[in-house]
Amino acid sequence: KQEVTQIPAALSVPEGENLVLNCSFTDSAIYNLQWFRQDPGKGLTSLLLIQSSQREQTSGRLNASLDKSSGRSTLYIAASQPGDSATYLCAVTNYGGATNKLIFGTGTLLAVQP
Amino acid sequence: NAGVTQTPKFQVLKTGQSMTLQCAQDMNHEYMSWYRQDPGMGLRLIHYSVGAGITDQGEVPNGYNVSRSTTEDFPLRLLSAAPSQTSVYFCASSAIMNTEAFFGQGTRLTVV
Repeated sequence: KQEVTQIPAALSVPEGENLVLNCSFTDSAIYNLQWFRQDPGKGLTSLLLIQSSQREQTSGRLNASLDKSSGRSTLYIAASQPGDSATYLCAVTNYGGATNKLIFGTGTLLAVQP
Repeated sequence: NAGVTQTPKFQVLKTGQSMTLQCAQDMNHEYMSWYRQDPGMGLRLIHYSVGAGITDQGEVPNGYNVSRSTTEDFPLRLLSAAPSQTSVYFCASSAIMNTEAFFGQGTRLTVV
């Protein structure tokens, strides 16, 4: 059974720091991995989608990498801002079957201090 | 540009009551799904649909029912609410396999 783990559960950094969030998964047979952002009391917003054949994706100050063989992904946030404060979730879609079922980690709560 | 719309945003139910959580998307997505989010448990899949007329169970389907009569709508029915169903419920949609998922704003349900 696929299990997704995110470490640390919470992180506090001063504004301007570069930071890395970690996501690991136990079964490397995945279609893709997505990183989401969730603000308090809100829904999830997709940040980056990495296909299983890709190594990384970039969007603005965000860069996500994927190493399927080791079951790891990282989300790199450059020059963090207070507006980046949120919970960051990663989710994988397993290989096999014609569905987009997402298996989520429990998230990393990020606080960027001004 | 509505995306995925969920109603209601908040609901309080008494044990044993039934209700329907509504979900609608305007992006013509084939795939729709329902998740519940609980502290320390992350998001877990309740039911999903790969197109109109096709539904299947996810990880935690007990106590919930779904149907998909149109591409746009995917309601979630609680048959007889229990306190264990107190949670935040999210509806999501995506176009086809291997594409990003879009989520609604969630329904916070409390069962007393």
